[in-house]
Amino acid sequence: NAGVMQNPRHLVRRRGQEARLRCSPMKGHSHVYWYRQLPEEGLKFMVYLQKENIIDESGMPKERFSAEFPKEGPSILRIQQVVRGDSAAYFCASSPVKGIRGGGYTFGSGTRLTVV
Amino acid sequence: KQEVTQIPAALSVPEGENLVLNCSFTDSAIYNLQWFRQDPGKGLTSLLLIQSSQREQTSGRLNASLDKSSGRSTLYIAASQPGDSATYLCAVPNDMRFGAGTRLTVKP
Repeated sequence: NAGVMQNPRHLVRRRGQEARLRCSPMKGHSHVYWYRQLPEEGLKFMVYLQKENIIDESGMPKERFSAEFPKEGPSILRIQQVVRGDSAAYFCASSPVKGIRGGGYTFGSGTRLTVV
Repeated sequence: KQEVTQIPAALSVPEGENLVLNCSFTDSAIYNLQWFRQDPGKGLTSLLLIQSSQREQTSGRLNASLDKSSGRSTLYIAASQPGDSATYLCAVPNDMRFGAGTRLTVKP
């Protein structure tokens, strides 16, 4: 049973380009969470999604950032017109249900985005 | 809004010492609390998940306790080893909030 799969592991983009980060949750998990971790800082919640629905996007920057979790395929975190300040590690987690009664989070290995 | 705080931010101990990492949360209406380990440049590895109905969870040299009424959890590491050096994070999954972590260094 594969864990949470994130790709790419490393992504380099020039300023102004688009970055697409993908996350495939664990089999049987229908809830996906995206977090951002700046160097030497903790994890900051960005967005919580279920299939075809954004449940909570209170941590998402208002501009340039979007997320989706389609009926088929992985969840995608998209950053348009990247700037140097977007350089960070982006982690995805999944759970079987929100509230995680019994399950807890399972995390992917992250995507490290570098904007040059 | 749930806030999670971890103290201390960094800790350095000699090998073999027993140590305690602290995590506090402001909203006691939690379902569970989860402790993670993160090595530099790596992802998060789940260590222990403690349910709100439990007081303790143990795994090897690790023991996590939970006191909902006081909004606190502790992670106890017995007989620390250099390989325990990492950042330890606590999370309240239901509120999707993490503490900033405690960076632990165990010196040989």
